Amino acid sequence: EPEVTQTPSHQVTQMGQEVILRCVPISNHLYFYWYRQILGQKVEFLVSFYNNEISEKSEIFDDQFSVERPDGSNFTLKIRSTKLEDSAMYFCASQGQQILPQLQHYEQYFGPGTRLTVT
Amino acid sequence: GNSVTQMEGPVTLSEEAFLTINCTYTATGYPSLFWYVQYPGEGLQLLLKATKADDKGSNKGFEATYRKETTSFHLEKGSVQVSDSAVYFCALAQSTSGTYKYIFGTGTRLKVLA
Repeated sequence: EPEVTQTPSHQVTQMGQEVILRCVPISNHLYFYWYRQILGQKVEFLVSFYNNEISEKSEIFDDQFSVERPDGSNFTLKIRSTKLEDSAMYFCASQGQQILPQLQHYEQYFGPGTRLTVT
Repeated sequence: GNSVTQMEGPVTLSEEAFLTINCTYTATGYPSLFWYVQYPGEGLQLLLKATKADDKGSNKGFEATYRKETTSFHLEKGSVQVSDSAVYFCALAQSTSGTYKYIFGTGTRLKVLA
């Protein structure tokens, strides 16, 4: 069964450093997402991406964050200058083609996550 | 805005006990609803889903019914096992700008004792 993969599984970085989290979505999916989960808290939406541009971003997704799909397969999240409060589990998700007008098939498939620790 | 409210955990049960985890939502329109499970050290796995009112999602003995009148999607299982110990997240899919972001509840930790 196709699955979403993420690398690395765990990343430790120093405050102020740049990090890039990588995701390989399911190959025929068109919609891509990043979520994060601070330890012990709920999963929060960060950003959605479709047709090579951001569709929506949350308040968390400030100028320090960026996403891109550089080669048609990988989907990356970059944090330009990490802060202590960026420490969290980051989940990538992908979603297949939506079928209009019923819009029923929008199940998102999540990767295993990257645990980011900022020291 | 849309939101999901889950019962506080942790929930501790003995093996073979009946499980209910409450989930209610606030949303405009009729969102799809989901239950995800997160086992220790792992990512989010879809457990079940329902896309319209009165739909019942089911998987691995778990069930949840989409109740429009009470805006609820409670998770139930008749007989839990130790292997069901995990964190359970209720979520809804909100359409914005052509994509569907998920809004998650806070999660409910379930611990099943042998």
